[in-house]
Amino acid sequence: GESVGLHLPTLSVQEGDNSIINCAYSNSASDYFIWYKQESGKGPQFIIDIRSNMDKRQGQRVTVLLNKTVKHLSLQIAATQPGDSAVYFCAENRVRGSYIPTFGRGTSLIVHP
Amino acid sequence: DAMVIQNPRYQVTQFGKPVTLSCSQTLNHNVMYWYQQKSSQAPKLLFHYYDKDFNNEADTPDNFQSRRPNTSFCFLDIRSPGLGDAAMYLCATSRVDGRRKQETQYFGPGTRLLVL
Repeated sequence: GESVGLHLPTLSVQEGDNSIINCAYSNSASDYFIWYKQESGKGPQFIIDIRSNMDKRQGQRVTVLLNKTVKHLSLQIAATQPGDSAVYFCAENRVRGSYIPTFGRGTSLIVHP
Repeated sequence: DAMVIQNPRYQVTQFGKPVTLSCSQTLNHNVMYWYQQKSSQAPKLLFHYYDKDFNNEADTPDNFQSRRPNTSFCFLDIRSPGLGDAAMYLCATSRVDGRRKQETQYFGPGTRLLVL
């Protein structure tokens, strides 16, 4: 079946490095993608989203890149900080016609001071 | 601040003893969702309410029920908890318009359920 998946279950980086978390999706009808951050013992928190009419979107220290050709999504975190340590989920959805996002497996980001 | 609130944050129950988890929201969102999340896994949608309309996922066990008495509150009832139901239960809300255009989904902090 169609699904959203992540390539790396765990990513370890040094404080100050840039982090890249990847996500593959297979539903070609998806046109809306969301990244969530989930800290230990908390609910997922919205970080940034992107629609399929864009290939890049920037937020504060985060950038999401979308490559529709290969159905790939990435989250880049600049100057990673210990507070960025969390599990990151990508989710796919459709701007219209569906309001149930499909979550990917998740990547655990560990930032070493 | 507008938010999604879940109570309790931790719930211990006995095998087979009914338990109810609660969720409230001050966002006035028309859609409320319940997810189950087990360790190191993605949240798994159990069901959701679109306004008053209940929508059950096909693979949600009958043991799980939900009630939404008004816009602000939604409850998850587990009729006979088994050991396999121990998990984090997440409530989420979103605003969806008539064209099924969704805005951002907001999650509560979750209730961690332990079944003894």
